[in-house]
Amino acid sequence: GDSVTQMEGPVTLSEEAFLTINCTYTATGYPSLFWYVQYPGEGLQLLLKATKADDKGSNKGFEATYRKETTSFHLEKGSVQVSDSAVYFCAQHTGKLIFGQGTTLQVKP
Amino acid sequence: KAGVTQTPRYLIKTRGQQVTLSCSPISGHRSVSWYQQTPGQGLQFLFEYFSETQRNKGNFPGRFSGRQFSNSRSEMNVSTLELGDSALYLCASSLGALAPTYEQYFGPGTRLTVT
Repeated sequence: GDSVTQMEGPVTLSEEAFLTINCTYTATGYPSLFWYVQYPGEGLQLLLKATKADDKGSNKGFEATYRKETTSFHLEKGSVQVSDSAVYFCAQHTGKLIFGQGTTLQVKP
Repeated sequence: KAGVTQTPRYLIKTRGQQVTLSCSPISGHRSVSWYQQTPGQGLQFLFEYFSETQRNKGNFPGRFSGRQFSNSRSEMNVSTLELGDSALYLCASSLGALAPTYEQYFGPGTRLTVT
């Protein structure tokens, strides 16, 4: 069935380090792909999205490119801040949202 | 524009009881989806409503049910609560149910604890 797999966390980085969180998906069709972020005690916030192959989603310095050939949608940011500490979820939409297991990011000053 | 609101935010219930959670979508949004979030199972889709009709359903027992009203507000009900139902229940709304209108916006969730 359709699924999303994310790299295991937690990921611990120093401020201003480069971030990559890997995400791959399996789908029978051509899903839209999303990254959501969840801060402690809050719901999910849409971070960015891509709706077709080779689309690049970007927001707040985060980027992810829809790679159909590798079925991937890796999240990247060039310079993380302490305020980026949160749980990040990759998801695909195929009639409903299917989420990865989430990756916890901790950024230390 | 106000975001998705969920009430109550926290709830403590006893095994065997039933519970009703409420969700008010963003104004103009007609689709409401519900998700259960637990440490062990992660985020799992419960069901989706669009224009008062259930459009999609996840793999949960019949104890979990929902409905949507004509103003797009939605409720979900869990009957005969079990300890394993303890979770954060998230509601999300979107303009529509099909591309490109299905971008979902989430509420803060209802934290249900079953004792």
